[in-house]
Amino acid sequence: GAVVSQHPSRVICKSGTSVKIECRSLDFQATTMFWYRQFPKQSLMLMATSNEGSKATYEQGVEKDKFLINHASLTLSTLTVTSAHPEDSSFYICSARGDRNNSPLHFGNGTRLTVT
Amino acid sequence: KQEVTQIPAALSVPEGENLVLNCSFTDSAIYNLQWFRQDPGKGLTSLLLIQSSQREQTSGRLNASLDKSSGRSTLYIAASQPGDSATYLCAVRPSNFGNEKLTFGTGTRLTIIP
Repeated sequence: GAVVSQHPSRVICKSGTSVKIECRSLDFQATTMFWYRQFPKQSLMLMATSNEGSKATYEQGVEKDKFLINHASLTLSTLTVTSAHPEDSSFYICSARGDRNNSPLHFGNGTRLTVT
Repeated sequence: KQEVTQIPAALSVPEGENLVLNCSFTDSAIYNLQWFRQDPGKGLTSLLLIQSSQREQTSGRLNASLDKSSGRSTLYIAASQPGDSATYLCAVRPSNFGNEKLTFGTGTRLTIIP
């Protein structure tokens, strides 16, 4: 079945540094990937839609200069949290859809970001 | 604005019992509905996807139904096992072309008691 790999699974960084999270579709091409954020005991909140070869589409209230998204190939999207602050600590999850419009979404295992 | 509700928020049942999880949504203009499970600290695993034209989907001990007109979906788990313990999320995708933004429910945390 379709597999989405997300790396790293955990990262601890100091305030002010930047962190890059990778999301790869391992056995299918994904023209569109999605980045979500999840707070404890809450559901997923869509942050942005990443499109291969074009700019990402950000949801209202998400700072595009803070959360940089690059979808450079059909199998890789990256999310960079720039100048991280403690309030950016969260669980970030990416997902990708298969190449058919009615394909299900497949999710990575998430990245737990802790900013100290 | 689409709203997705899952009740109950938490459920505990003895091993071996059959159970039903509920998902309701306010806007029936959906493209599909997907059920996921999430283990603590992990991402989401897709369980079943139901297209808007379908009434149900089955995979092993899982059966998901969809009643689009009433805005409801259920996930039926037969002969529950401790390994089924997880949070179950439903999500709907809107029907308007090109819109892939899923709306998630807040989940039901399921505990199977050995």
